[in-house]
Amino acid sequence: TQLLEQSPQFLSIQEGENLTVYCNSSSVFSSLQWYRQEPGEGPVLLVTVVTGGEVKKLKRLTFQFGDARKDSSLHITAAQPGDTGLYLCAGAKLDSSYKLIFGSGTRLLVRP
Amino acid sequence: GAGVSQSPSNKVTEKGKDVELRCDPISGHTALYWYRQSLGQGLEFLIYFQGNSAPDKSGLPSDRFSAERTGGSVSTLTIQRTQQEDSAVYLCASSLTVGELFFGEGSRLTVL
Repeated sequence: TQLLEQSPQFLSIQEGENLTVYCNSSSVFSSLQWYRQEPGEGPVLLVTVVTGGEVKKLKRLTFQFGDARKDSSLHITAAQPGDTGLYLCAGAKLDSSYKLIFGSGTRLLVRP
Repeated sequence: GAGVSQSPSNKVTEKGKDVELRCDPISGHTALYWYRQSLGQGLEFLIYFQGNSAPDKSGLPSDRFSAERTGGSVSTLTIQRTQQEDSAVYLCASSLTVGELFFGEGSRLTVL
């Protein structure tokens, strides 16, 4: 059972465009994280959101945690080729916050 | 090194053989995780170690899978009688605090 659904699964855009990636669940999470993974490497943490409605910005990346703590979004402004990679959301379960449940991922390709 | 180290980076084996995958976590990190990632997809939780507590083995897919963590540091994931469906990238991660995982580069397992 996939607790976290990510959309779109794949996104190919031109440099300079904006994009939004979604992470949705019917479950409530104590926190949610976003990771980026490049080929041949492990995922690297980008951000952690904890409070419902929280918005965090990391340069051109904006992360939002849903009010009910069931969903999240990642918005990238003016995408660059260096943003290319697999974006993964991961939720920490309420009853076992150490156990991160990962979404299926969104593969982003930013063309120069 | 300063990061999580995994070995081997690549392993090709024949169906029915046993394999061992090793993880050396970041020094001082008390928590250690094993995840499995199939062909650029999301990560599947396998097992979690925290200090001297009993591990959470709830993600191990079958009794052919086992893991140990000796001395609170190095961990070994063992897969007995490998099957083709075991082919995947096995990722190890360690953490100091709940939720912030640092991943190794993974061990790519191919079962012929």
